[in-house]
Amino acid sequence: SQKIEQNSEALNIQEGKTATLTCNYTNYSPAYLQWYRQDPGRGPVFLLLIRENEKEKRKERLKVTFDTTLKQSLFHITASQPADSATYLCALSNSGYALNFGKGTSLLVTP
Amino acid sequence: DGGITQSPKYLFRKEGQNVTLSCEQNLNHDAMYWYRQDPGQGLRLIYYSQIVNDFQKGDIAEGYSVSREKKESFPLTVTSAQKNPTAFYLCASSTGTGDEKLFFGSGTQLSVL
Repeated sequence: SQKIEQNSEALNIQEGKTATLTCNYTNYSPAYLQWYRQDPGRGPVFLLLIRENEKEKRKERLKVTFDTTLKQSLFHITASQPADSATYLCALSNSGYALNFGKGTSLLVTP
Repeated sequence: DGGITQSPKYLFRKEGQNVTLSCEQNLNHDAMYWYRQDPGQGLRLIYYSQIVNDFQKGDIAEGYSVSREKKESFPLTVTSAQKNPTAFYLCASSTGTGDEKLFFGSGTQLSVL
């Protein structure tokens, strides 16, 4: 069966450090992978999309890698801030189908 | 402002009652989606629509129904057949299925009285 797995344990880090979140998948052949941020009681907000032919993508303090051989994406937030505290969701689909989401990883950045 | 509007923010259902969740978008997007989120869980796809007057079941469509009579609107009805309806419901839209990001509404929390 298809699975999207993210760290189930919450990630607690100190302000200024780099947070690294993992997304692993099985039985998908995704053309792309997306990352979203979700705050409590709110809808997810799109952050980044990375395509299968892209190894890495950056946006401000965010960096995403995509390894289709390992079937894994890593999501990094550098110089983390308390405002980065949220749940981060990985999402992907087989081409032409609706997005499926992982359960998300909760990030807490403490001052 | 462009975006997706879900209403109401909170909704209560009595036993045996059908309830309808509203979702409206003014982004001129072709595709719309409904997801359900339970505490500590990921989003699970209920229904999606790629075009007006057409929609497809997602992974957990049983106990739900939808309509897509207008491009801007994609209401979700939670029927009495859905025995465990308490959840956070999220509506989203995109320019089309495939390689596009989703724009989400702010969600509706449905609870059973």
